[in-house]
Amino acid sequence: GESVGLHLPTLSVQEGDNSIINCAYSNSASDYFIWYKQESGKGPQFIIDIRSNMDKRQGQRVTVLLNKTVKHLSLQIAATQPGDSAVYFCAENNNDMRFGAGTRLTVKP
Amino acid sequence: DTGVSQDPRHKITKRGQNVTFRCDPISEHNRLYWYRQTLGQGPEFLTYFQNEAQLEKSRLLSDRFSAERPKGSFSTLEIQRTEQGDSAMYLCASSIGQGRTEAFFGQGTRLTVV
Repeated sequence: GESVGLHLPTLSVQEGDNSIINCAYSNSASDYFIWYKQESGKGPQFIIDIRSNMDKRQGQRVTVLLNKTVKHLSLQIAATQPGDSAVYFCAENNNDMRFGAGTRLTVKP
Repeated sequence: DTGVSQDPRHKITKRGQNVTFRCDPISEHNRLYWYRQTLGQGPEFLTYFQNEAQLEKSRLLSDRFSAERPKGSFSTLEIQRTEQGDSAMYLCASSIGQGRTEAFFGQGTRLTVV
């Protein structure tokens, strides 16, 4: 069936470097995507979203890129900080909202 | 606090008992979602409501699970005859409109079945 998935389960970066977290989706009809950050013991926290009529959207230190041709999303975090350490999920939000397994980002001081 | 509120935060129950969780969405949010999350996994979709109408249920939602949103505001998720495999974090999220908008999560209810 249709699903959302992630390429890598873990990512380790040095403090101050940029991070890139990838996500693949399979439903070509999906038109709205959200990135969430989840810290241990907490609910997912909304980071940024993008609609399919856009290729790129920027927030504070974060950028989401959408490539509809290959059905791929990425989340870029600039100047990664220790507080960015968490699990990151992309979600495909149609009528329901489906998540992949997540990528654990670890920031080394 | 104007965020999504879930109660209780933690629940320990014996196998075979029934449990009920409550979710209070952000005020005026029409859509409400329930998810289950086990360690190391992403949230698994269970069901969602548009106002008081339950519009979709996952196949994961066995007949022991039932959810309601009687007045289109708060929602409850009941699990009957709990099993050890039901141990998980149960998450609620809400959004305005009819989907395809920002959805915000509560802190979850951690269920442990012993």
